[in-house]
Amino acid sequence: SQQGEEDPQALSIQEGENATMNCSYKTSINNLQWYRQNSGRGLVHLILIRSNEREKHSGRLRVTLDTSKKSSSLLITASRAADTASYFCATEEVKTSYDKVIFGPGTSLSVIP
Amino acid sequence: KAGVTQTPRYLIKTRGQQVTLSCSPISGHRSVSWYQQTPGQGLQFLFEYFSETQRNKGNFPGRFSGRQFSNSRSEMNVSTLELGDSALYLCASSPDSPEKLFFGSGTQLSVL
Repeated sequence: SQQGEEDPQALSIQEGENATMNCSYKTSINNLQWYRQNSGRGLVHLILIRSNEREKHSGRLRVTLDTSKKSSSLLITASRAADTASYFCATEEVKTSYDKVIFGPGTSLSVIP
Repeated sequence: KAGVTQTPRYLIKTRGQQVTLSCSPISGHRSVSWYQQTPGQGLQFLFEYFSETQRNKGNFPGRFSGRQFSNSRSEMNVSTLELGDSALYLCASSPDSPEKLFFGSGTQLSVL
């Protein structure tokens, strides 16, 4: 089962523009993470935001979290061709037992030089 | 530190066969998770092991199994392979809680 749903499924922008991806989820979470995957490779962790945080920055990345709407957004500023990849949100569900991380279907980002 | 190592990188099997995939986590990491990635279903959680015990399990049939050894290395096994098992199998490790997963490059399994 998938917890998060990214929007849009695909995004194409020019180098230098900003890219915004959204993620919605269904259940209560401990935290929400964003990962990047270059074609056919493993995922790389980008940033984690906890359920009691509203905004977080890391370099050119800005993540927001709205727990009342069960949604998050990832903003990549001043995009580069090297940012071309798939981006996934992942949620750590609140469970009575140990938590597990569930990934959304991802947003495919193409940055055109 | 060396990253997460998955072997083999590519694998071709035929229907009905079984396969074993291996994952060596980052040194000191005790949690190992497995995911199946396909174009149609995305990343699906298979299971997670911590200190040789399965802590979490996804919604996969019993043909999918795994184990973890005392050195935290993990294996997953798929028996009686089906065409639909063709996928990229990803392993991820973390020190304890899954707040930041470190992924291997994956094993690309093709079932013919």
